[in-house]
Amino acid sequence: GDSVTQMEGPVTLSEEAFLTINCTYTATGYPSLFWYVQYPGEGLQLLLKATKADDKGSNKGFEATYRKETTSFHLEKGSVQVSDSAVYFCALIRGYGGATNKLIFGTGTLLAVQP
Amino acid sequence: NAGVTQTPKFRILKIGQSMTLQCTQDMNHNYMYWYRQDPGMGLKLIYYSVGAGITDKGEVPNGYNVSRSTTEDFPLRLELAAPSQTSVYFCASSYGGSAETQYFGPGTRLLVL
Repeated sequence: GDSVTQMEGPVTLSEEAFLTINCTYTATGYPSLFWYVQYPGEGLQLLLKATKADDKGSNKGFEATYRKETTSFHLEKGSVQVSDSAVYFCALIRGYGGATNKLIFGTGTLLAVQP
Repeated sequence: NAGVTQTPKFRILKIGQSMTLQCTQDMNHNYMYWYRQDPGMGLKLIYYSVGAGITDKGEVPNGYNVSRSTTEDFPLRLELAAPSQTSVYFCASSYGGSAETQYFGPGTRLLVL
């Protein structure tokens, strides 16, 4: 079945460091890919998304490119801030069939940014 | 808009008790979802609805029931609480399926003892 695998955390970085959180997926067809962020004590919020191969999603300095050849959607940010400390979830929705509205989540990666 | 609201924020149940987790959205979204989040795990879909009067099972529906009598409300019912249902429950909604953004509520933390 469809699945998402993301790197285990926690990831601990100093402020202004470069961030990469790896995400790979297994899915039939052409899924849409998402990164959601969960700040402490809150629900999930959409960070960015990409709906087809080679699309780049971007928001708040974060970027991720939909790579079909490597089935990946790695999250990057050039310079992290303390306020970026959160749990980041990679997710997909299958692009066809009866499951086109079901998000499949990875296990989440905790990012802790130190001043 | 308030977005997606959930009540209660936190609840302790004894084994065998019942309760309803409330979820309301004011964005006129057709699709609504219930997820559970266990420590160190991603979210798992419990039930979802594509419109009033229509519900369907997700990955982990056992021990839960839902109803969707209005567009706005999507309550989740636990009939006989078990310790395995200790989790954080999130309700979400979206206008459509596929690549539409899902908007999440703040969550309900449930502890079953």
